[in-house]
Amino acid sequence: AQKVTQAQTEISVVEKEDVTLDCVYETRDTTYYLFWYKQPPSGELVFLIRRNSFDEQNEISGRYSWNFQKSTSSFNFTITASQVVDSAVYFCALSEVWVETSGSRLTFGEGTQLTVNP
Amino acid sequence: DTGVSQDPRHKITKRGQNVTFRCDPISEHNRLYWYRQTLGQGPEFLTYFQNEAQLEKSRLLSDRFSAERPKGSFSTLEIQRTEQGDSAMYLCASSFQGGAFFGQGTRLTVV
Repeated sequence: AQKVTQAQTEISVVEKEDVTLDCVYETRDTTYYLFWYKQPPSGELVFLIRRNSFDEQNEISGRYSWNFQKSTSSFNFTITASQVVDSAVYFCALSEVWVETSGSRLTFGEGTQLTVNP
Repeated sequence: DTGVSQDPRHKITKRGQNVTFRCDPISEHNRLYWYRQTLGQGPEFLTYFQNEAQLEKSRLLSDRFSAERPKGSFSTLEIQRTEQGDSAMYLCASSFQGGAFFGQGTRLTVV
């Protein structure tokens, strides 16, 4: 069975601080995808990144960066110089690469509520 | 707008009534998923379609729930004899390869 754990329920920072959201996962699959989604108060889940388990290179996109460490089953997400607009719930998720019958369904963590104060 | 579209955005219904939600996926996506999200939790998988075929249903999907995807395009999720425990956000997602793009969800409140 797959499991995703986001131990931080809530994080509060002041604008311009850096913040790291932790994600630890469990899977018996050797090949899988990891994701981060952002859910603002409007409710829509916004896709941020997908990472294949074979690719352990860290990735940076603007103020966002992701640190994937297969050895510790972690896929942490850092926001640099946080802004008020970053306030949202962030979800880490895991899926199999492709299975005909389940179509790469996502297993989500419980989310981390990030509040960035001005 | 080329994203995933869900209708309605909000639905308030009395216990025991039937409700139906609609999802229009991104047009070139052949895979469509329904998830349910309760307050303070991450989304939980309900069911999956590949084109018009419903290939998997979660144990969360009781007999009162039914989903269809006629012609492999839009999908509907119907809940019969609603219960207060059905109150949640129902999210639809579509994908072509791994990963999924989500709609804005339908928030159901059963009173």
